[in-house]
Parts: sequence; C-alpha cells; structure tokens
Amino acid sequence: KAGVTQTPRYLIKTRGQQVTLSCSPISGHRSVSWYQQTPGQGLQFLFEYFSETQRNKGNFPGRFSGRQFSNSRSEMNVSTLELGDSALYLCASSGGSGAVNSPLHFGNGTRLTVT
Amino acid sequence: QKEVEQNSGPLSVPEGAIASLNCTYSDRVSQSFFWYRQYSGKSPELIMSIYSNGDKEDGRFTAQLNKASQYVSLLIRDSQPSDSATYLCAVNGGGSNYKLTFGKGTLLTVNP
Repeated sequence: KAGVTQTPRYLIKTRGQQVTLSCSPISGHRSVSWYQQTPGQGLQFLFEYFSETQRNKGNFPGRFSGRQFSNSRSEMNVSTLELGDSALYLCASSGGSGAVNSPLHFGNGTRLTVT
Repeated sequence: QKEVEQNSGPLSVPEGAIASLNCTYSDRVSQSFFWYRQYSGKSPELIMSIYSNGDKEDGRFTAQLNKASQYVSLLIRDSQPSDSATYLCAVNGGGSNYKLTFGKGTLLTVNP
C-alpha cells in the first residue's frame, strides 16, 4: 500500500508570496491532518479534514487555510508568507472515522523556506 | 491548554541497555496514546499505540500507561545505535476533537 505522498518536497519562497502544498493520503483513508514542525515549537496542529469537512483547527492565523477534495486528497495554502512560516509541513492520514483510536501515518513532509 | 510534556534530553545510553522515555499529559479525558520515532531529517513513524492502563509489548518496545497519574512511558530493551532518534509522545483527547497533541520529543542517543 502506498504511503502518504506530499508534494513538493522543498520550496523556497519570498516574504509576501503565497504557497500551496499538496497531500495524497493512504488509499482508503478519509481523514487528513496537517502539522507544522519547527525546532522550537515541535509539531503544531494546523487542521484536520474528513470527507471534505474541516473538523478541527489549530491556533494559527487565517493566512493558513486548507481544503479536502472528494478523493480525500488535501491541500493547504499559506498566504502572505512571513519568515516565521519557514518550517517542515507534515501531512498525515488515518483510517476509519479518524477518531480517537486511529493513529496518524505521516508523509515525508514539505520543507518550506521563506526568505 | 492541553499539554503533553517530555524531557527534551538528550538521553544517552550504552548499546544493549534499557532506554526509558517518559511523557505526562494534562487532559484527563485523553483516550489514546502513541509513540512516534523521528530520525533526523525524516518524518515521524508510529512505533506503539496504547489505549488502556498497563503494559503493551511489541518486540523490544514496551509502552506503559497510567491514566490516574496521567503518565505514559516507552521502554526500549537491548538498545541499538539504530534506535538513536527523537521519540515523540502523542495524545488524542477525549470526545471528538480529532487531533493528536505532540510533546516536543526526547532525543535518544545509543552509544556503541
């Protein structure tokens, strides 16, 4: 079974630009979560989608948004990039209803550098 | 603010020893607990999940959960240099908040 696929692997953007990251979950998984990982803050939850609905959102500004398509693929968008947005962005999928007992399976991440 | 706390380390153990990693959490209604391993430059990979009080063993790994003390631990027996990584504790809250809260991780170094 193919794992979670994230594209692109690396991105370099300048301040003020916007960026879109893509994630394809494990086949059959309908829950997709996004996390930001930085050395200082660790893994921070961005949002979670299930069947095209956002069910939970972390404490990030409105510049961070996401969506999920009918095939469970997901995208996240960051507008008006800031230097502090430089991070590893991780997508994870889980099976079933994505509820409390379902572990997350992570993709390889997208390394975003904002200059 | 629901929190998951881990010692940041680094924790250094000799090859063949037992490594003990600890985690505490603040949300009393948490139901599911996970340990992930993350090698430098890689994404987290699931090692263990545990849902009820007591011990759960899988090969060289044992997860221990004590909900009354809000404490979960991971023991690695016969530690190998290949176990050198950051270990992340993750907790899923009760109800339907559909997210895992991660600790900041403990860096483990196993010395040959």
